[in-house]
Amino acid sequence: AQSVAQPEDQVNVAEGNPLTVKCTYSVSGNPYLFWYVQYPNRGLQFLLKYITGDNLVKGSYGFEAEFNKSQTSFHLKKPSALVSDSALYFCAVRAQRAYNTDKLIFGTGTRLQVFP
Amino acid sequence: DAGVIQSPRHEVTEMGQEVTLRCKPISGHDYLFWYRQTMMRGLELLIYFNNNVPIDDSGMPEDRFSAKMPNASFSTLKIQPSEPRDSAVYFCASQRGTSLAKNIQYFGAGTRLSVL
Repeated sequence: AQSVAQPEDQVNVAEGNPLTVKCTYSVSGNPYLFWYVQYPNRGLQFLLKYITGDNLVKGSYGFEAEFNKSQTSFHLKKPSALVSDSALYFCAVRAQRAYNTDKLIFGTGTRLQVFP
Repeated sequence: DAGVIQSPRHEVTEMGQEVTLRCKPISGHDYLFWYRQTMMRGLELLIYFNNNVPIDDSGMPEDRFSAKMPNASFSTLKIQPSEPRDSAVYFCASQRGTSLAKNIQYFGAGTRLSVL
């Protein structure tokens, strides 16, 4: 069975500091991995994805994520946090060879709070 | 493109009443997903369609919930009768199922449902 774990309910970071939001996954075979962000009173918005190739993926708003197969992780990172990055972040996974389903499995979300 | 459009944005109803939520996916997208988000349970996939056909409805809570997609540009999620525990934000998302853009889901702004 596919699953995603986001071990931190909330991450607090000071503006200008680097941030990391953690995600680990479990799938059979190779994964498709995604990060989405949700701002207050809005729907989820795609940030970035890993399909294949370079393990470091760059996405919107200066975010990046590193795929680590041995650790089954896909942590979201940003070198310098902004107050406007404060939001709810979701990691999602799908097995590349999930013949019987096209759905993504979402994590429980991590609330990022960036303090001025 | 206007994105995924959901209506209404807010719905307040009394227990026992029928509720219908509406979604217009992005033109050309052949997948449509209905999600429910609550503080307690996070983001839950209720049902998804491919080419207007329901593929997986295993997330639908019970028989009070039903979803239809009569054509490629419209879907409804109906709750009859509604109960207070159905109070949540309901999201619709659509996806273009090509290999190039596979699995990027585009979310609507959601419908906030309150059942009194």
